[in-house]
Amino acid sequence: GEDVEQSLFLSVREGDSSVINCTYTDSSSTYLYWYKQEPGAGLQLLTYIFSNMDMKQDQRLTVLLNKKDKHLSLRIADTQTGDSAIYFCAETFGPFNSGYSTLTFGKGTMLLVSP
Amino acid sequence: SAVISQKPSRDICQRGTSLTIQCQVDSQVTMMFWYRQQPGQSLTLIATANQGSEATYESGFVIDKFPISRPNLTFSTLTVSNMSPEDSSIYLCSARSTRASGTARTDTQYFGPGTRLTVL
Repeated sequence: GEDVEQSLFLSVREGDSSVINCTYTDSSSTYLYWYKQEPGAGLQLLTYIFSNMDMKQDQRLTVLLNKKDKHLSLRIADTQTGDSAIYFCAETFGPFNSGYSTLTFGKGTMLLVSP
Repeated sequence: SAVISQKPSRDICQRGTSLTIQCQVDSQVTMMFWYRQQPGQSLTLIATANQGSEATYESGFVIDKFPISRPNLTFSTLTVSNMSPEDSSIYLCSARSTRASGTARTDTQYFGPGTRLTVL
């Protein structure tokens, strides 16, 4: 079945760049998402990339997709202490035109930003 | 984007009782879902809430334990029935918005703030 893997923990200093990595197994993935979860809160959609793209940039966030290696990364430039959170990678699988496809989540990467 | 609210935000319940969680979306969405996030874990899909018909449950989840309603396009409820301590978890409502333009389609999925349930 489908599987999404992430490293569990990343620690960076304020001002540095953070790179959170994700690998997935389902080659028929249509969308890949990054969500942020702060302590005690729900999930905030950060960004997503469609499977026919290889890069998407949105302010401090850059998403890179390598379809051949089934590898997705999220780069956060100039990381701030407010970026400390758990980051979840998620993919959709299932027939694109079916109108019904579910999200599969990774276990999340805890990002800790120190001053 | 869609803004999702949930009620209650948290509750502490006794074993054997039931709790109904409400989810309201501020705009019409194509699909609504319910997820569970156990402590320190990722999200697990419980079911897809279908408007006007029975929900579609994932493996390991059944209607008797988690009855779901979706009377219209913007509202859904999840009931956790006959609770036990193993049901202690965060329950998240989610909604998917789909925009189609010609042959292109954009799916974005949003989450509510979650309901933190503790069963004693």
